[in-house]
Amino acid sequence: QVQLVQSGAEVKKPGASVKVSCKASGYTFTSYGISWVRQAPGQGLEWMGWISAYNGNTNYAQKLQGRVTMTTDTSTSTAYMELRSLRSDDTAVYYCARDGGIAAAGWFDPWGQGTLVTVSS
Amino acid sequence: DIQMTQSPSSLSASVGDRVTITCQASQDISNYLNWYQQKPGKAPKLLIYDASNLETGVPSRFSGSGSGTDFTFTISSLQPEDIATYYCQQYDNLPTFGQGTRLEIK
Repeated sequence: QVQLVQSGAEVKKPGASVKVSCKASGYTFTSYGISWVRQAPGQGLEWMGWISAYNGNTNYAQKLQGRVTMTTDTSTSTAYMELRSLRSDDTAVYYCARDGGIAAAGWFDPWGQGTLVTVSS
Repeated sequence: DIQMTQSPSSLSASVGDRVTITCQASQDISNYLNWYQQKPGKAPKLLIYDASNLETGVPSRFSGSGSGTDFTFTISSLQPEDIATYYCQQYDNLPTFGQGTRLEIK
């Protein structure tokens, strides 16, 4: 079955970077994209960006431009999301999701289990 | 960014009730609208894609309709396992989500 398994929880200090991984299985990795979505404690869902696993093209949310980088490793069917210059308001659960969009983000299904990133001094 | 206004923000209903949630886009998004269910402590799950298409395996009591700027999500007969928060999401432009509707059992 289609499954996305994310790396474990992280605790980081303000100003540091975090890199979350998302390993896909059960489908042809390069036939879809991967979107990343985050959810701050008790809050709603915020789309962060999309990467095509086919050609590496990316689209990022404007508010994260310059701080986020999304990459893929097709040899291991793994996507990565790196967020730099962390602030306390980056504390959230970070999700990856298979994205059905062809040239840009579309629908998200399924989702990974989520990775809690806590930013605290 | 396209803004998605979802209402109500919370809703209390009885088992068997018909439940309706609306989502309004700040501009025409055609049918590029999806609906998700998120249960506490879990990842969201896609229920409806392209405004009205039921995802495989999703019970038929869930449905969606609309196009342009106004969309509706309906549960025809509320079940106890439907307790969750529901989100709309547009992808006509860079994706944005509605603020969510928390659904509780009365």
